[in-house]
Amino acid sequence: DAKTTQPPSMDCAEGRAANLPCNHSTISENEYVYWYRQIHSQGPQYIIHGLKNNETNEMASLIITEDRKSSTLILPHATLRDTAVYYCIVRGLNTNAGKSTFGDGTTLTVKP
Amino acid sequence: DSGVTQTPKHLITATGQRVTLRCSPRSGDLSVYWYQQSLDQGLQFLIQYYNGEERAKGNILERFSAQQFPDLHSELNLSSLELGDSALYFCASSEGVGNQPQHFGDGTRLSIL
Repeated sequence: DAKTTQPPSMDCAEGRAANLPCNHSTISENEYVYWYRQIHSQGPQYIIHGLKNNETNEMASLIITEDRKSSTLILPHATLRDTAVYYCIVRGLNTNAGKSTFGDGTTLTVKP
Repeated sequence: DSGVTQTPKHLITATGQRVTLRCSPRSGDLSVYWYQQSLDQGLQFLIQYYNGEERAKGNILERFSAQQFPDLHSELNLSSLELGDSALYFCASSEGVGNQPQHFGDGTRLSIL
C-alpha cells in the first residue's frame, strides 16, 4: 500500500469548513483513499473513501486531485464534536483491509 | 453506534494472567479484525478472520491468539500478560475482505498491574 503523509495538527473555527490534506504520491491506479477519525480513545470511525472521483456523504466530502497524488477531506461546517485524530489510508482492491496502517494522522482541534 | 460490540469495556488484571476479549461484528459482516493501541503507539493490526478462517496476521505476539466462531463472534486471548500489554484493544468488522470500510467497536481497555 502507498504511504500517506498528513500534517500532525490543525485548528479550525467552529462553523467553518475544515480542510484536511493528505499526500499519497506513490498511490497506484487501483488504490483507494480512505478516511477515518478517532475521537479521544473511542473506536475509529469510518468517514468516506474514493478512487478518483470526488465523493460526498452526510459526514464529509473527499476531493482527490486529478493526478491522485493528494486528497483533501472537507468537513463543511465543523463543530466541537469534530475534534479528533483524522487518518488518511491508501488501500488497494486486493489488499487485505487489516494490513492498512493508520499512521499518526492529523489532530484536528475545532475551537469556539 | 457502529454495530460492533466489544466486551468487557474495562479489564484490570495482574502480570502473568490470561484474559479473553470478545467481539460481536455488525450483522452481516464476515470479517473481524483485532487492533492494539498503546499510549505511545498508533493502531497496530494484530489479526483478521474471515468467516471462521484466519485471513491475515500482523504484529501479533505468540502469547496472543484469536478465533472466530460459527456465529461469527470473535475472541482474542492474551496470556502471560506483561505490563507492556496494557492498551486499548479494538475489534473491527467488514462485509468481506479487501477493499471495504471497517467498522470499529468502542474497544476494551486492558490495564495490567
